[in-house]
Amino acid sequence: AQKVTQAQTEISVVEKEDVTLDCVYETRDTTYYLFWYKQPPSGELVFLIRRNSFDEQNEISGRYSWNFQKSTSSFNFTITASQVVDSAVYFCALSVSGYSTLTFGKGTMLLVSP
Amino acid sequence: DAGVIQSPRHEVTEMGQEVTLRCKPISGHNSLFWYRQTMMRGLELLIYFNNNVPIDDSGMPEDRFSAKMPNASFSTLKIQPSEPRDSAVYFCASSLFAQNLVAQHFGDGTRLSIL
Repeated sequence: AQKVTQAQTEISVVEKEDVTLDCVYETRDTTYYLFWYKQPPSGELVFLIRRNSFDEQNEISGRYSWNFQKSTSSFNFTITASQVVDSAVYFCALSVSGYSTLTFGKGTMLLVSP
Repeated sequence: DAGVIQSPRHEVTEMGQEVTLRCKPISGHNSLFWYRQTMMRGLELLIYFNNNVPIDDSGMPEDRFSAKMPNASFSTLKIQPSEPRDSAVYFCASSLFAQNLVAQHFGDGTRLSIL
């Protein structure tokens, strides 16, 4: 069975601070996919990134970066110079090869204050 | 391109009534998923379809819940009879199933309140 743990329930930062959201996953499959989704206060779920288990390169997209480390089964998400618009709940999710379903973590609520 | 379209956005109804939630996936996507989100349980997969065929409905809570996908562009999730504990946000998502899994794209959700 798959499991995703987001130990941080809520994080509060002040604008322009950097913040890292942690994600630890469990699976026995050697081929799997990791995702991050953002859920802003309006409620929709927005896809941010997908990473497969064979690609451990870190990725940067603007102020967002992701650190994938198989050795620690972690896929952490960092926002640099946070902004108020980054306030949202962020979900990490896992899917294994051959299955379409996503296993979601409980989410981390990020509050960025001015 | 239009995203996943769900209707209604909000539904308030009394206990015992039948509720039907609707979803139109992204054109060309052949996998469709229904999720439920609550504070207590987070995001849970209820059922998913590949090429209109239900593949895994193990997440459907009980017989009061049913889902159909009569064609590639439409799916329904029905609750009959509804109960207050069914109150949640229900999301539909779609993706193009392939050997290398692509991302699921979510609709805006239906916020369901059962009084």
